Amino acid sequence: GDSVTQMEGPVTLSEEAFLTINCTYTATGYPSLFWYVQYPGEGLQLLLKATKADDKGSNKGFEATYRKETTSFHLEKGSVQVSDSAVYFCALSNDMRFGAGTRLTVKP
Amino acid sequence: GAVVSQHPSRVICKSGTSVKIECRSLDFQATTMFWYRQFPKQSLMLMATSNEGSKATYEQGVEKDKFLINHASLTLSTLTVTSAHPEDSSFYICSAMGAMNTEAFFGQGTRLTVV
Repeated sequence: GDSVTQMEGPVTLSEEAFLTINCTYTATGYPSLFWYVQYPGEGLQLLLKATKADDKGSNKGFEATYRKETTSFHLEKGSVQVSDSAVYFCALSNDMRFGAGTRLTVKP
Repeated sequence: GAVVSQHPSRVICKSGTSVKIECRSLDFQATTMFWYRQFPKQSLMLMATSNEGSKATYEQGVEKDKFLINHASLTLSTLTVTSAHPEDSSFYICSAMGAMNTEAFFGQGTRLTVV
């Protein structure tokens, strides 16, 4: 069946460091791929998405490219901020199952 | 983006009672709704998927008689935790997806505490 495998972390970075959170998937068909973010005490918000192969989703300095050849959708940001501290989830549109979530903590 | 309202945001109930959580799509028709339970250390577990007018499809290991899901309209789904026990205490989250099926929108979650 469809599934998502996500780097679990936790990840701790200093401000302005480069961030990568890995996400790989197994899916039938051509699902959309998502990254959601959950800030402390809040629900999930869509961070970015890509609907087809080679699409790049981007938002708030974060980017992820839908790579069919490697079945990956890795999340990247060139320079993280303290306000980026949150839990990040990768997901497939087929069944909206989530990866395990990666807790990111950015220190000043 | 579209808005999904989940209510209540917090509820405390006594063991043995039932609790109903509502999930409403406010500005779109939700053909599919998802219910999740979030455990400590952030793991988000899909409990069930429901399509309007149909019975919910439950994930393996989720008791359908304990977690009753109703999706009677295109804007409302409810999760009822029946005969609640302290181990049911958790954070429950719903999400809704429209017919175009390109994105799911999430409610703010419900913190259930069973005492």
